[in-house]
Parts: sequence; structure tokens; C-alpha cells
Amino acid sequence: AQSVSQHNHHVILSEAASLELGCNYSYGGTVNLFWYVQYPGQHLQLLLKYFSGDPLVKGIKGFEAEFIKSKFSFNLRKPSVQWSDTAEYFCAVRGNNRLAFGKGNQVVVIP
Amino acid sequence: GAVVSQHPSRVICKSGTSVKIECRSLDFQATTMFWYRQFPKQSLMLMATSNEGSKATYEQGVEKDKFLINHASLTLSTLTVTSAHPEDSSFYICSARTSGGYNEQFFGPGTRLTVL
Repeated sequence: AQSVSQHNHHVILSEAASLELGCNYSYGGTVNLFWYVQYPGQHLQLLLKYFSGDPLVKGIKGFEAEFIKSKFSFNLRKPSVQWSDTAEYFCAVRGNNRLAFGKGNQVVVIP
Repeated sequence: GAVVSQHPSRVICKSGTSVKIECRSLDFQATTMFWYRQFPKQSLMLMATSNEGSKATYEQGVEKDKFLINHASLTLSTLTVTSAHPEDSSFYICSARTSGGYNEQFFGPGTRLTVL
């Protein structure tokens, strides 16, 4: 079964700062990769996904992620965060028909 | 995106009772539905996968007699926590997936279960 690692569970930064969240996975087969966001009091929403093709994928709200196969990584980035980006971010990997989640990053953006 | 609803959003029950949680895909047909459990500050843990009209597949360590899953139609799946105990208190989230290639999973808002 696959596993997903996210580091630095709590991230606090100021508006306009850049954000990068790391995601590493372990799985030997073909994977689909996802980043989900959960805003306070809301359900999980898809930010972006990678299935194949260009390893640099762009998602909603200015987020992007890069799949680096050799590093088994799928890091999420946003060049300039806003207060409204305060949320929990989950990396997920689907392999063998199972979607496995990382523990999440709690991101707090200070106005 | 597609919408998945869960009902109830919160439930409090006494130890030993059973609780049923419903998950519905509102505007699409979900051939596969998933049930997750989320502990505070932890990841979503997959409990089981259910395909419409067939028995659910449970993950290792999940008691199928305790967590009964029924996926009777393409838009409804239910999770029944039988003889609930305080350690079953958790946040339960369902997810539904469409059929076809590049299919995406859509998540419900979750149900907070508290067993007294």
C-alpha cells in the first residue's frame, strides 16, 4: 500500500509571502497525485491533480504543484498567499484504486 | 464540481446504540463510494470501499460487523456504526467517485460522531 508524508504540520506566514508544502510518497506503481484543501468548517475540495503529461500542474486560486518522479515528490506552491488561504492542505496519492492521504499541513496566513 | 452530501452533520449517541450516516451524490452517479475516518490532527484513514450493488471491501483492521456499509443505489451509501463505544467517536467522511477514466473523488462535509 502507498504512504504519503507531509512535513511541518503547522505553517504560519504573512500575507504576500510564498508558500511551499512538501509531499513525498512511497509506491512502486503508477500513481495519480492530488492536493486537497479544507477551509475552516468546510469539506475537502480539490486544488489540483496530476495524472500524466506536464509534471507542473496549475490548480485553482493560484496554486501549482510539481511532480518529480525521481524524488517521489509532489510539492505544492503559491508565490503570494492571502489571508483567505488559511486552511488545511492534504496531499493524496492514488495507487491500486486506493486514495491515501498525508497528515495535512495547517496553514495560517496572518494579515 | 459535483456535490456530495452527508447526513447528519453531527450526532451524539449513547454507548451501545447504533448510528446510521447517509452519504449521497447529488448530481452524479457514483459507482464507487469510500468511507474515511479522521482523527484530530491526523490524516484521513480509508475504512472501506463500496461499489453499488456489491459488498464493501474493508481495509485491514476495520471491523466489518461493526461498521456496516450499504451501497444500494448509485447515489446513496450508508455507514452504520453498530453498538457504538466512546472510542468510535470521530469524524467520518464519505467520498464518491464517478465512473470512467481520470475519475475524480468528491468529498462530503463529514459527520461528527460523539459517543457518550
